This record gives sequence, C-alpha cells and structure tokens, in this order.
Amino acid sequence: ETGVTQTPRHLVMGMTNKKSLKCEQHLGHNAMYWYKQSAKKPLELMFVYNFKEQTENNSVPSRFSPECPNSSHLFLHLHTLQPEDSALYLCASTYVAGGSDTQYFGPGTRLTVL
Amino acid sequence: GQNIDQPTEMTATEGAIVQINCTYQTSGFNGLFWYQQHAGEAPTFLSYNVLDGLEEKGRFSSFLSRSKGYSYLLLKELQMKDSASYLCAVRDDYKLSFGAGTTVTVRA
Repeated sequence: ETGVTQTPRHLVMGMTNKKSLKCEQHLGHNAMYWYKQSAKKPLELMFVYNFKEQTENNSVPSRFSPECPNSSHLFLHLHTLQPEDSALYLCASTYVAGGSDTQYFGPGTRLTVL
Repeated sequence: GQNIDQPTEMTATEGAIVQINCTYQTSGFNGLFWYQQHAGEAPTFLSYNVLDGLEEKGRFSSFLSRSKGYSYLLLKELQMKDSASYLCAVRDDYKLSFGAGTTVTVRA
C-alpha cells in the first residue's frame, strides 16, 4: 500500500464508450501525475498537476481529458479511444518541496480498448 | 530529449549478486531514482541518488556518476521475491523520465 489508490483496477471498453479513471491520494501531496505504461516501453508521462493546476500536457491526444478537482483527487476521462490506447494507466503523487520529491504510484488501471 | 538506457532482461541465481546498469542523456538532472515493479503491481520506490557515490539500503545499493551519466542498482543475496522489473528514472525539475525497465528473474 503506497497511499495512492486507483479505480477501477481493470476496464474493458469499446471505442465509442466514455469512461473515467479515478485516483486518490491520502498522503498530503501537492502534485499528481498520470502515466501510460505499455508493454516493453518506458512509462510515458501524460499529465502533471501542481497545486491543482495543470502544468504539463505531454502531447496527449484530446480523447484523454484530465481533471483535478482538489489536491487529493485526479481523474482521467476517456472517450472515443483507439485499440492502441490499451495499456496500464498509473497515477502518482508527490510533495514538491525541492528535496527528493519521491513519487508514489497507485496500482494502476489495466485498460483494454476493443 | 531524454534518453535512458538499461538492459532488457537479466537472470541470476538465488543468493547471488546482480548489477543493473543505467545510462542517461537528459536535458536536465535533479536526481536519479530506482523503482521496483512486480507484475501487475505499482512501481515502488527503492532508492534516490543526487550526489555522486554509493547509497546503501540493506541488500540494495545504488551508485551514481553524474559526469558519466551512469548509475547502477546492486541487488545482493538475491531472493525469489526479487524477481521483478527494475525501473531507472531521471528527475528534471518535478518530472520523471523512465527507462524501459530491466526484468530480473531469480532462479533457485
């Protein structure tokens, strides 16, 4: 248990569906991240929120839409996805303070797009 | 751009030592992390280096040479539970860039 939870753990959706991934952290952190992990590839940073403000959008297609209503919650809204979007989606959080700022990861949502 | 290289796979025997190398060429550097990730689970933090030298934590040690853009993770007294993927990550400001991970298989 890292203190970062993600739901659902598994999701299967069609290309026309709309779904949302949820991430929650109880660590008092002030930054939250979405990553995509595909087989045999490095983790790809998708979005960063610092103090609830989006500070990074790593050229992610608009079919992925993040939302950060407060410093403890992060969502990833999905619509009209493609089969190549199937991957493990990981959420992470950290306290940005100029030190090691270690990121702690949730267990991920395994997404399959049919 | 960011370029972080580590071997894809390594195999070792229970009780042995394995060294996982990581080389990096990145636009910025604020530290290097190692994470362990078991199949189907979250990456978990193992170590952090920001200055040159060796950091030791029990059976795990991590080394950094900033001038060479090089780090290694040393796993001693290998146990079956150490079979996992090991991720090298470089921090630039508040963002991490990851290598593709090294899958370590420990055999009895």
